[in-house]
Amino acid sequence: AQKITQTQPGMFVQEKEAVTLDCTYDTSDPSYGLFWYKQPSSGEMIFLIYQGSYDQQNATEGRYSLNFQKARKSANLVISASQLGDSAMYFCAMRDLMDSNYQLIWGAGTKLIIKP
Amino acid sequence: DTEVTQTPKHLVMGMTNKKSLKCEQHMGHRAMYWYKQKAKKPPELMFVYSYEKLSINESVPSRFSPECPNSSLLNLHLHALQPEDSALYLCASSRTTGTSGGLREQYFGPGTRLTVT
Repeated sequence: AQKITQTQPGMFVQEKEAVTLDCTYDTSDPSYGLFWYKQPSSGEMIFLIYQGSYDQQNATEGRYSLNFQKARKSANLVISASQLGDSAMYFCAMRDLMDSNYQLIWGAGTKLIIKP
Repeated sequence: DTEVTQTPKHLVMGMTNKKSLKCEQHMGHRAMYWYKQKAKKPPELMFVYSYEKLSINESVPSRFSPECPNSSLLNLHLHALQPEDSALYLCASSRTTGTSGGLREQYFGPGTRLTVT
């Protein structure tokens, strides 16, 4: 069965420092996609970054990068030069081609708080 | 434009009321989703529409009734809800639920915070 594990329930980080949010996954399907979403207290779920299982390079989107280590089944999110506005809940999610329901499998989330 | 809109933003309803949540996207996406999210938890999938047809109903109680009038609109009709149904209801869309498109991201609306009294 597919599973996403986020082991950090909460993190405090000083503003301007880099942040790494951990995500490990489990799937038997060779074709899958990994996603990171940000959810501020306002509630909206904001798509940040996507990594496909066959992508050769790690995905990057502005200050966000995904440290994809396929052999370790790890897909950590790295936020460079953190800002106060980065304070939010962060969810790692996976979609598996073997799952005919096309569902996103979600991790439990990490609450990130950026300190000024 | 990656915008999904939802109305209303907040809704308070009694257990005997009938109300509807609305969701709209103009990105040409052919898959639309309803999620329920409790505080500090990840979203739980409720329904998936693919090309305006209901493709997934995740054993949701019949007091929740989805409707997809066209490819841009998604409604969730609510009737005789229970206090435990109070939650954030999120709508999302993606290009498709198919194989390659199914690996693509879902875009979410801002949600409707529902309180059942």
